[in-house]
Amino acid sequence: AQSVTQLGSHVSVSEGALVLLRCNYSSSVPPYLFWYVQYPNQGLQLLLKYTSAATLVKGINGFEAEFKKSETSFHLTKPSAHMSDAAEYFCAVTPSGAGSYQLTFGKGTKLSVIP
Amino acid sequence: GAGVSQSPRYKVAKRGQDVALRCDPISGHVSLFWYQQALGQGPEFLTYFQNEAQLDKSGLPSDRFFAERPEGSVSTLKIQRTQQEDSAVYLCASRRAYEQYFGPGTRLTVT
Repeated sequence: AQSVTQLGSHVSVSEGALVLLRCNYSSSVPPYLFWYVQYPNQGLQLLLKYTSAATLVKGINGFEAEFKKSETSFHLTKPSAHMSDAAEYFCAVTPSGAGSYQLTFGKGTKLSVIP
Repeated sequence: GAGVSQSPRYKVAKRGQDVALRCDPISGHVSLFWYQQALGQGPEFLTYFQNEAQLDKSGLPSDRFFAERPEGSVSTLKIQRTQQEDSAVYLCASRRAYEQYFGPGTRLTVT
């Protein structure tokens, strides 16, 4: 079984400040991990994914995340926040290997960017 | 190319009515998923298709929920005798490799 915990349902940062959104996972098998972004009244857009290649993963819009097995974490970062980053962010996990398919999501973190 | 599309985008139903939600996946994607997203929550898995075969329906909350994909492309999620607790956004996704591509969702409000 898999689960995801996102610490902080709401995070506020100033424009130009570091963005750090936390994600911890639980998985009985090696996981694949994902970050999605959701803008109001839209579907989810994939930001980046970890599928057992490099542990530091770079995604779109300047975001990156690092897979840390020892900490069971996959935190999302961006060096400098833009107003356009204001959205809700979801971390998701799926088991690696053949037959894996459904995503298990965290409850989401709403990011606000203060001008 | 076109992404995943869903219709209608918004649906208001009176309690007890039946509704049908449509998903058009990305062309060529054999895997299709339905998720339910309650207000303020992350999406939760409902069901999974590979081509026309429904391989997992373990997430469907009750026997009032039914999904089909008869020709392996378009899928329909049907909810019979809607209840207020069915109010949510219903998301469809199709998959290539390990990446799932989501549609914009259908927001269902049951009054």
